[in-house]
Amino acid sequence: GAVVSQHPSWVICKSGTSVKIECRSLDFQATTMFWYRQFPKQSLMLMATSNEGSKATYEQGVEKDKFLINHASLTLSTLTVTSAHPEDSSFYICSAREEGVSGANVLTFGAGSRLTVL
Amino acid sequence: LAKTTQPISMDSYEGQEVNITCSHNNIATNDYITWYQQFPSQGPRFIIQGYKTKVTNEVASLFIPADRKSSTLSLPRVSLSDTAVYYCLVGGSLSGGYQKVTFGTGTKLQVIP
Repeated sequence: GAVVSQHPSWVICKSGTSVKIECRSLDFQATTMFWYRQFPKQSLMLMATSNEGSKATYEQGVEKDKFLINHASLTLSTLTVTSAHPEDSSFYICSAREEGVSGANVLTFGAGSRLTVL
Repeated sequence: LAKTTQPISMDSYEGQEVNITCSHNNIATNDYITWYQQFPSQGPRFIIQGYKTKVTNEVASLFIPADRKSSTLSLPRVSLSDTAVYYCLVGGSLSGGYQKVTFGTGTKLQVIP
């Protein structure tokens, strides 16, 4: 089945630095990927929709200059948390939809990336 | 997108059948009903999807009444490894076009030995 690889699985960084998280669809092409953030004991919150070859669509309240999304190819999307601060510490999860699969809500999710900002 | 309502949490003993009901009164004609499972510190995993009546796979069954305003995920004979959060999502398109997928609160299922 479809597999989405996310890297790194966890990262610790100092406040003020930038962190890049990669999301790859391993055996299928994904023109659209989604990025979520999840705080402890909470549900997933959609941050943005990543579109291959065009700008990402951000959800209301998500700073596009802080969370940079690049979807340069059909199998790779990256999320860069710029000038990270402790409040950005969270679990970031990407997902992709396999083209041609029936059911628009059928997404394959990565394993997530745990970001801790000191 | 149709809003969903699920119980916040449920407890069940091992070996029992668990039914988690989701309400979605504003479901649209083109909407599918999809359920995901999430373990701690992992991404969600697709369980099952349906449009009407009943769908069954190797993991679960999904029951959808005729009015489609609710759905019930049924997990047969749960084990400790089924302890997870279960999310009900409603949306999509019969034509295969996509909508952004947003998650509700989910139901935390605790399986007790």
